[in-house]
Amino acid sequence: DQQVKQNSPSLSVQEGRISILNCDYTNSMFDYFLWYKKYPAEGPTFLISISSIKDKNEDGRFTVFLNKSAKHLSLHIVPSQPGDSAVYFCAASAAGNTPLVFGKGTRLSVIA
Amino acid sequence: DSGVTQTPKHLITATGQRVTLRCSPRSGDLSVYWYQQSLDQGLQFLIQYYNGEERAKGNILERFSAQQFPDLHSELNLSSLELGDSALYFCASSGYTHPSGNTIYFGEGSWLTVV
Repeated sequence: DQQVKQNSPSLSVQEGRISILNCDYTNSMFDYFLWYKKYPAEGPTFLISISSIKDKNEDGRFTVFLNKSAKHLSLHIVPSQPGDSAVYFCAASAAGNTPLVFGKGTRLSVIA
Repeated sequence: DSGVTQTPKHLITATGQRVTLRCSPRSGDLSVYWYQQSLDQGLQFLIQYYNGEERAKGNILERFSAQQFPDLHSELNLSSLELGDSALYFCASSGYTHPSGNTIYFGEGSWLTVV
């Protein structure tokens, strides 16, 4: 049973446009959400996070939106750049020092 | 550079063998996590240690075991290896715990190929 789902395995976006990556979760105990970015042959790199007390968190070109009622979060990248091409993982955890549960990832390709 | 160090980076071994993967967490981090990434799969949580004690267990096979030593480095032992154990094994560590959750930092992974 997948508690964190990324239903789009891949996404292609033109350089300069907005990339929107989506993630759904089923566990209502989750209250901390993160996005990681992974390049081939490297470990996942932390990108941005949001706690359940917020509905938006912004860091430069990256914004994460959280809709708790829909159990849905999204990552917006604007403007998209070729260097953003990578696999993006959504992750979630419950309160405390609990392990993160990851989605299967979405491969983003930003085309110049 | 996340500060998490994993060795070896690549390993090829035969079925039935045993291997040990090593991880040094970021300086000061007390928690170590092991994740497995197989082809077309996401990151599957295996096990977590906190300051030497097992904290949480995920989808870890009985053939696999781990430990965290007093200097906080951790080892993941994989035995009686099967072809299906071929995967990327990531170690991650975390320190400060956000009140709602924690951010973990990954090493570059150990790529295990079982032939």
